[in-house]
Amino acid sequence: KQEVTQIPAALSVPEGENLVLNCSFTDSAIYNLQWFRQDPGKGLTSLLLIQSSQREQTSGRLNASLDKSSGRSTLYIAASQPGDSATYLCAVTTGANSKLTFGKGITLSVRP
Amino acid sequence: DTGVSQDPRHKITKRGQNVTFRCDPISEHNRLYWYRQTLGQGPEFLTYFQNEAQLEKSRLLSDRFSAERPKGSFSTLEIQRTEQGDSAMYLCASSLPYRLAGLRNTQYFGPGTRLTVL
Repeated sequence: KQEVTQIPAALSVPEGENLVLNCSFTDSAIYNLQWFRQDPGKGLTSLLLIQSSQREQTSGRLNASLDKSSGRSTLYIAASQPGDSATYLCAVTTGANSKLTFGKGITLSVRP
Repeated sequence: DTGVSQDPRHKITKRGQNVTFRCDPISEHNRLYWYRQTLGQGPEFLTYFQNEAQLEKSRLLSDRFSAERPKGSFSTLEIQRTEQGDSAMYLCASSLPYRLAGLRNTQYFGPGTRLTVL
């Protein structure tokens, strides 16, 4: 059974800091890995999707990397801003049905 | 493109009552997913439709839960005889057919329905 782990559960940083969020998964036979953002009480917004054959994806200040063999992914956020404060969830798909298996998320707080 | 919509956004009910939620996916998406998220946890997969066919159900989906997608467009999730443990955010997501998006298939989530069972 696929399990996704995100540690720590919460992180607080000052504005402007570069930061890395970690994600690990137990079954390396994934189709893709996605990072989502969730604001309090809201749905999920997809940030980046990395296919199993890719090593990284970039979007603006965000860069996600994937090491499938070791079961790890990182989300790098450059020059963090208070507006980046949210919960960041990592999820993998392991079949053509594309159902997502999520980690518990990391709640990020960026202090002005 | 108006995105995925869910109705209602909030539902408060008493234990033992039945509730029904609706999800309207993005129009060209033939795949539709239901997830449940409790406080402090990531979403957990409940069930999945391709067009009108329900192709997979999680063990989390007890006999009290039923989902339908009668015409391959909107979907409903009904919970019968609600229990306090059913209190959660119920999220719906949709995606393009696998033949179009393949491994790049992103799921688009709705805002969720927050259920509180008293």
